Amino acid sequence: AQSVSQHNHHVILSEAASLELGCNYSYGGTVNLFWYVQYPGQHLQLLLKYFSGDPLVKGIKGFEAEFIKSKFSFNLRKPSVQWSDTAEYFCAVRGDDKIIFGKGTRLHILP
Amino acid sequence: EPEVTQTPSHQVTQMGQEVILRCVPISNHLYFYWYRQILGQKVEFLVSFYNNEISEKSEIFDDQFSVERPDGSNFTLKIRSTKLEDSAMYFCASRGTLDRGYNGYTFGSGTRLTVV
Repeated sequence: AQSVSQHNHHVILSEAASLELGCNYSYGGTVNLFWYVQYPGQHLQLLLKYFSGDPLVKGIKGFEAEFIKSKFSFNLRKPSVQWSDTAEYFCAVRGDDKIIFGKGTRLHILP
Repeated sequence: EPEVTQTPSHQVTQMGQEVILRCVPISNHLYFYWYRQILGQKVEFLVSFYNNEISEKSEIFDDQFSVERPDGSNFTLKIRSTKLEDSAMYFCASRGTLDRGYNGYTFGSGTRLTVV
């Protein structure tokens, strides 16, 4: 069965700092990987996804993630965060026909 | 951009009452899902639905839960006799297939269910 582990539960950064959120997954087959974001009071939105091909995936709002198969990792990065990036971020993996989410990382950006 | 629509956005119900949460998936999608998120916890899979039947369900999805696609557009989640621990945000999701512009899963904005 697939599982997802997010390393950081709560991250606090100042504006313009660089961001990296860790995500490791467990699944024996071909995976699809996702990062979702949930802004306060809003629904889940897709930031980016990896299905195949280039392991460096670029998403919306300047986010990117790198799939490293040998490490079973799919870390999310952003070179310079903004106050508006304050949200909860969920890594997710699709193996069988369902998505399994990590527990989420709450990101708080100080203005 | 196509959206998954959920109604109501917030529902308050008394313990023991039945509730029906409604979802309108994206029109050409064929696979439908319900997830829930208890406050402060992660998003959990409840059930998947394809071709008018349940494809898979989690251990959370017990006999108190049921899903239905009563017509060509709606996809509903029914909780027969609500418990306090059913209080959560419930998300509906749908996805297409590769030949129909598959772009991953699209989630609705959620229904916050509060059982009192």
